[in-house]
Amino acid sequence: DAGVIQSPRHEVTEMGQEVTLRCKPISGHNSLFWYRQTMMRGLELLIYFNNNVPIDDSGMPEDRFSAKMPNASFSTLKIQPSEPRDSAVYFCASSMTSGLGAQYFGPGTRLLVL
Amino acid sequence: SQQGEEDPQALSIQEGENATMNCSYKTSINNLQWYRQNSGRGLVHLILIRSNEREKHSGRLRVTLDTSKKSSSLLITASRAADTASYFCATDVGGSEKLVFGKGTKLTVNP
Repeated sequence: DAGVIQSPRHEVTEMGQEVTLRCKPISGHNSLFWYRQTMMRGLELLIYFNNNVPIDDSGMPEDRFSAKMPNASFSTLKIQPSEPRDSAVYFCASSMTSGLGAQYFGPGTRLLVL
Repeated sequence: SQQGEEDPQALSIQEGENATMNCSYKTSINNLQWYRQNSGRGLVHLILIRSNEREKHSGRLRVTLDTSKKSSSLLITASRAADTASYFCATDVGGSEKLVFGKGTKLTVNP
């Protein structure tokens, strides 16, 4: 298996622009997680889905952030409008509910908002 | 606030030595997991220990869990330069799939 795939790997944008991050989970995994990692705040869970349904979005910082999972093999995290404080590494992870919680992470998207 | 807190924040050792990292958490858990993150990469799952287990081994890794003290330790024996990475503990929240990660221990193994 190719593992969790994220795109783009790097994104540089200007404040106010829309940013869309993409994730393809491991085939057969039914849970998907979006995390944000910064030096100051560490690794934070933004939202997670189970069977394509959002279960917990309490970590989404504000209305500028939205996430969708239209099918079992694709998810997006959108920031609109982006701000410099959104600069971070965004990770997608997937797991099997029956897998006792082990999560498999993608390589991350490094976002820089100027 | 972070559920898990690793200690120390940074650790530097020589190749061949053992490395011990600790994790403390605040609320009841069903399981505790350890992950490794190499610089610029995603996290990699190392080992999971359930709340009813006290010790678990995987290769050169040994994890202990003390639920009465709400703490866990990760021991890497006979360390190698390739073990250089940040190590994170993660705990479940209320029995859900949601994990809360600590800020990690940065391990440097000098050749």
